[in-house]
Amino acid sequence: QSALTQPPSASGSPGQSVTISCTGTSSDVGGYKYVSWYQQHPGKAPKVMIYEFSKRPSGVPDRFTGSKSGNTASLTVSGLQAEDEADYYCCSYAGSNSYVFGTGTKVTVL
Amino acid sequence: EVQLVESGGGLVQPGGSLRLSCAASGFTFRRYWMSWVRQAPGKGLEWVANIKPDGSEKYDVDSVKGRFTISRDNAKNSLYLQVTSLRVEDTGLYYCARPYCTDSDCLSHFDLWGQGTLVMVSS
Repeated sequence: QSALTQPPSASGSPGQSVTISCTGTSSDVGGYKYVSWYQQHPGKAPKVMIYEFSKRPSGVPDRFTGSKSGNTASLTVSGLQAEDEADYYCCSYAGSNSYVFGTGTKVTVL
Repeated sequence: EVQLVESGGGLVQPGGSLRLSCAASGFTFRRYWMSWVRQAPGKGLEWVANIKPDGSEKYDVDSVKGRFTISRDNAKNSLYLQVTSLRVEDTGLYYCARPYCTDSDCLSHFDLWGQGTLVMVSS
């Protein structure tokens, strides 16, 4: 149950796009459709932004999009806004009713 | 209001124990799988344990096997995590979280989180 691999940081200017990768294995990201992305602001609980690779919960702006290719999932934030500055974590179902989270990516809006 | 409220954290010495609680409200608690997720200070999230709605099935991460026990009391709308043989590396914020359920399963994602309760293991 090793953590999924994410880049430690990503950044972009307001209005630009940033893409975060999440690399796992065929036992997690590549083996199931249950990959989700969470946004976490300092001192706050995580909030789901994307689930099942590309679905958005009600209330999440369509600037947030998700995709998957093989053992890697990706989150793209388009039209960056100041409030998008946060930590982002991917999470994958890993079989046997277990989950594995990513290492986390700090997104900075320049 | 739909919410989860954790309690029971604190400062404990290595080898000590605590019982974490999570009070659920605003939804039919007995119908949902429930989970614990933790976060070490300045670190990432780690799934800890899951429990089935009726409590008959429990799953946990390898690093806590034999030390942590998840349980629930549906009559009290409450989730628990008994943590024993605590280690310094168990220090962190422990979140109660609710897996989202579709018609077919409850594996998709965590759609409801509490604010967490802090466990500090130090001598």
